Amino acid sequence: NAGVTQTPKFQVLKTGQSMTLQCAQDMNHEYMSWYRQDPGMGLRLIHYSVGAGITDQGEVPNGYNVSRSTTEDFPLRLLSAAPSQTSVYFCASSPDRSNYEQYFGPGTRLTVT
Amino acid sequence: KQEVTQIPAALSVPEGENLVLNCSFTDSAIYNLQWFRQDPGKGLTSLLLIQSSQREQTSGRLNASLDKSSGRSTLYIAASQPGDSATYLCAGGMNYGGSQGNLIFGKGTKLSVKP
Repeated sequence: NAGVTQTPKFQVLKTGQSMTLQCAQDMNHEYMSWYRQDPGMGLRLIHYSVGAGITDQGEVPNGYNVSRSTTEDFPLRLLSAAPSQTSVYFCASSPDRSNYEQYFGPGTRLTVT
Repeated sequence: KQEVTQIPAALSVPEGENLVLNCSFTDSAIYNLQWFRQDPGKGLTSLLLIQSSQREQTSGRLNASLDKSSGRSTLYIAASQPGDSATYLCAGGMNYGGSQGNLIFGKGTKLSVKP
């Protein structure tokens, strides 16, 4: 198993550009989530999904869209990048939210200029 | 607002010392408590998961406890080694925003073990 994979590892965007951060897992996990990690703020939940076709907002959803068309993939879309979205983004997966540990991907470091 | 707090923010110890990292949380109806390790520039590695019905979990030199009534968890590291140097994060599965069990993270304790 590759576990949770994220692409790209690094990305630089200009303000107003759009892009999609990719996340995939090969463990047949139902629950997937996106976090951002900022210095002094810790990790904060952006969006999550409890299964294919089901998504919901976390703590900091503004400026981000998600969809879950398959169990394996959970892409995060930035519609119009802003400097405030400069951060490290982590994707995680788990068989479910409450009873199992969550597995994290290696992260995507995004800089918006 | 649900919060997870970790104290201290940084800790430096000599090799071989036993140490305790602290985590406190505001919601006694916590679903689980998970401890992670993060090395610089890397992702999170899960160390231990404690379910709400459990009081502790052990893995090798690591022991984590959970006391829901006092809102506290501790991570005990025995016989620390330089390779244990990393940031340790605790995260609680709680209710917020109408969702059950999403993780809320503390800001971490940065541990440095000196040879």
